[in-house]
Amino acid sequence: SQQGEEDPQALSIQEGENATMNCSYKTSINNLQWYRQNSGRGLVHLILIRSNEREKHSGRLRVTLDTSKKSSSLLITASRAADTASYFCARDAHTGNQFYFGTGTSLTVIP
Amino acid sequence: NAGVTQTPKFQVLKTGQSMTLQCAQDMNHEYMSWYRQDPGMGLRLIHYSVGAGITDQGEVPNGYNVSRSTTEDFPLRLLSAAPSQTSVYFCASGLAGGQDTQYFGPGTRLTVL
Repeated sequence: SQQGEEDPQALSIQEGENATMNCSYKTSINNLQWYRQNSGRGLVHLILIRSNEREKHSGRLRVTLDTSKKSSSLLITASRAADTASYFCARDAHTGNQFYFGTGTSLTVIP
Repeated sequence: NAGVTQTPKFQVLKTGQSMTLQCAQDMNHEYMSWYRQDPGMGLRLIHYSVGAGITDQGEVPNGYNVSRSTTEDFPLRLLSAAPSQTSVYFCASGLAGGQDTQYFGPGTRLTVL
């Protein structure tokens, strides 16, 4: 399978806490992206990080990328109930146009 | 802009029936793709297209056909539906493949009896 792995599979935190989820992959990448999916909806793009970048910020989101370990992490700071969703990492295939998603982390933020 | 639209939203088929899932985008994106989402499996790539007239297979192409006659439309055809094809199907588009943001449609929930 070309899918990456996200860890943990499920995460439950209190509102205001930080949430960290991790993504690992097996082959070289050009880019890695993170998406959010609310229940019963399509996916929404959060952030793209290129292979020559180590960290990227967008509002309350911070993404890191370690190409030597083939892993990435997504940190959501000061979580809100509205952050409750599934989060997926997605990577491109280094040699082609295919685009692969991980298995996702289900985040629940308790008000 | 409507973005990426998918029809129908829900569909129930009997084993052996065929049908086409429609996908359209109005963002002039060259890259379009189809995924299926099953519980615990994340999204798996079925087929993708890098432009009109060009299609290629993804991870799980068996039982599905695609064509790309225009930039805007990328229909997915189920040739002979099987219960294993029960899933939620998402269409996505972007300026490029993995190098760019992908915009997703709302999905089609398909049940094959």
